[in-house]
Amino acid sequence: TQLLEQSPQFLSIQEGENLTVYCNSSSVFSSLQWYRQEPGEGPVLLVTVVTGGEVKKLKRLTFQFGDARKDSSLHITAAQPGDTGLYLCAGSNNYGQNFVFGPGTRLSVLP
Amino acid sequence: DSGVTQTPKHLITATGQRVTLRCSPRSGDLSVYWYQQSLDQGLQFLIQYYNGEERAKGNILERFSAQQFPDLHSELNLSSLELGDSALYFCASASEYSNQPQHFGDGTRLSIL
Repeated sequence: TQLLEQSPQFLSIQEGENLTVYCNSSSVFSSLQWYRQEPGEGPVLLVTVVTGGEVKKLKRLTFQFGDARKDSSLHITAAQPGDTGLYLCAGSNNYGQNFVFGPGTRLSVLP
Repeated sequence: DSGVTQTPKHLITATGQRVTLRCSPRSGDLSVYWYQQSLDQGLQFLIQYYNGEERAKGNILERFSAQQFPDLHSELNLSSLELGDSALYFCASASEYSNQPQHFGDGTRLSIL
């Protein structure tokens, strides 16, 4: 069974600070996705990474897929209150079956 | 707006009852996924359908069942409900059956009294 771990579980920071959250597994994933979920809503896709070592940028968010495709990180520069939410990573195997979600990192950015 | 529609938004019922949750995928998406999200379990994958056929099964209880119809909408049936079934149930759709980004609906909040 493929499992994803995320750290930290909770993170509370001040507006303007930088942060990094992590997604780790002992298994190899063919692709990995990051989602953000706000209260009362469904997760919203931020990015998909598929190549080991890949780095993708989305405005102030930088996503990296580990070389071995077992881990990923999300770095946010100059966090804003609008970044507040639950950040979930999700991975699938080569067959795209049994999409696995990590437990999430709950981020709170205080003004 | 993800384009995925889930109804109803809220459902309150009693133990032992049966409910049906409905999902309409994004236009053009053939794959539908069902998830359960509770405070202590996170987002748990239940089942996936692709173009009307079951593709993958996760931690879905025998009391639960799903199907995808020819018009690609999907229904999740929950029966003999227990207090522990109270959760948010999400549907997501994707264009293909594997390795494609999923687009989530806003969920159905099920409360068992």
